[in-house]
Amino acid sequence: QVQLQQWGAGLLKPSETLSLTCAVYGASFSGKYWSWIRQPPGKGLEWIGEITHSGIPNYNPSLKSRVTISVDMSKNQFSLKLSSVTAADSAMYYCVRGPVDNSFHDWGQGTLVTVSS
Amino acid sequence: QSALTQPASVSGSPGQSITISCTGTSSDVGGYDLVSWYQQHPGKAPKLILFQGTKRPSGISYRFSGSKSGNTASLTISGLQAEDEADYYCCSYAGYSTYVFGTGTKVTVL
Repeated sequence: QVQLQQWGAGLLKPSETLSLTCAVYGASFSGKYWSWIRQPPGKGLEWIGEITHSGIPNYNPSLKSRVTISVDMSKNQFSLKLSSVTAADSAMYYCVRGPVDNSFHDWGQGTLVTVSS
Repeated sequence: QSALTQPASVSGSPGQSITISCTGTSSDVGGYDLVSWYQQHPGKAPKLILFQGTKRPSGISYRFSGSKSGNTASLTISGLQAEDEADYYCCSYAGYSTYVFGTGTKVTVL
């Protein structure tokens, strides 16, 4: 049973950098893909990006200029950084195992990030 | 990369069948048989219920089934139950290692 536990700052000011980390338990970290997905309050899901087991990231084109996803295989963790945040970046952020078979199988508990001055 | 289009809401009575559509383009839904579906109850993380269009993960009820025609994928829930009341999202591979989600559909069990 894969478990993902995530943490990070929940309240940011405009122009700051969002930083979240996700720890993976119960699964080998290597050989798999890991993603971040977000959901603004009351709205739909948005794929932010993924990182491969070899550390190669792929990003949503609409966020690519501001996003960095990285992996620390020694700790079984992967991280998200989103720079120059605005109120539009306020959302629940989920770390996710996948894509596996082009789908997202196991989800973290979510971290609510609010951007407000 | 625009969000896939889903109806905002669908409703049905217990025991009935309902279908949720997910319309994209030839660059996503129509170009690949790689649509997945997620169920999300209030305050919870989404849960995968179908992948690669028609496949169910272990533990997912046979009442959930999927299909596709052209640029539109569909999720059918048969034998609707009270526990099926939730939000549902489709997601498609969109090429170049990217993914796009649908706008979401609220299912109400009358």
